[in-house]
Amino acid sequence: QSALTQPPSASGSPGQSVTISCTGTSSDVGAYNYVSWFQQHPGKAPKLIIFEVTKRPSGVPDRFSASKSGNTASLTVSGLQAEDEADYYCSSYTANYMVVFGGGTKVTVL
Amino acid sequence: EVQLVESGGGLVQPGGSLRLSCAASGLTFSAYWMHWVRQVPGKGLVWVSRIRPDGSGSNYADSVKGRFIISRDNAKNTLFLQMSSLRVEDTAVYYCARDRVAGSGSLDVWGKGTTVTVSS
Repeated sequence: QSALTQPPSASGSPGQSVTISCTGTSSDVGAYNYVSWFQQHPGKAPKLIIFEVTKRPSGVPDRFSASKSGNTASLTVSGLQAEDEADYYCSSYTANYMVVFGGGTKVTVL
Repeated sequence: EVQLVESGGGLVQPGGSLRLSCAASGLTFSAYWMHWVRQVPGKGLVWVSRIRPDGSGSNYADSVKGRFIISRDNAKNTLFLQMSSLRVEDTAVYYCARDRVAGSGSLDVWGKGTTVTVSS
């Protein structure tokens, strides 16, 4: 199972928006509405920020939003704040009963 | 407070075995799918395995299939990962995580991880 494709880096100034793409195939992202997004700060465990493509867990700011079109999912962080600087990973359920992660995107707040 | 605490990591020689544990508290452990995810420091997350709430079924990444076994003891609120025929490339931090949506990978509770180092 190949990893989902994410850009290695993205950046934006405080207050701006940044969008991260996550490209899979018709056997994972395109087949199921089970795309999740995780935020990970250095030395910390990942944190779920989006599940089932667009849903936010309780406590996650609405500055984080997500969508999916075909085999590509996207995460948008609006109104960038310093604490949003982190690594972001997408994941998807797959047709062979597995889960696959993206390679990760490092978001820098300029 | 919902909490997952991994243990059992350490240094092991190639070809050796190790058993990881993940103790759950503050949640109805027996109601959830559970997963293991690993991460080489400085690298990305890699899914390893998942197990049904009642332990009746499990799935594995191709890279560990036939070498790792996931299991659980719902009476003791504990998840396990038995790792055998370990390889240098299995070196990583291993996280256990709870799935809030039926095995889909919606991992909403994570432990802090336990480090496995495979080296001679």
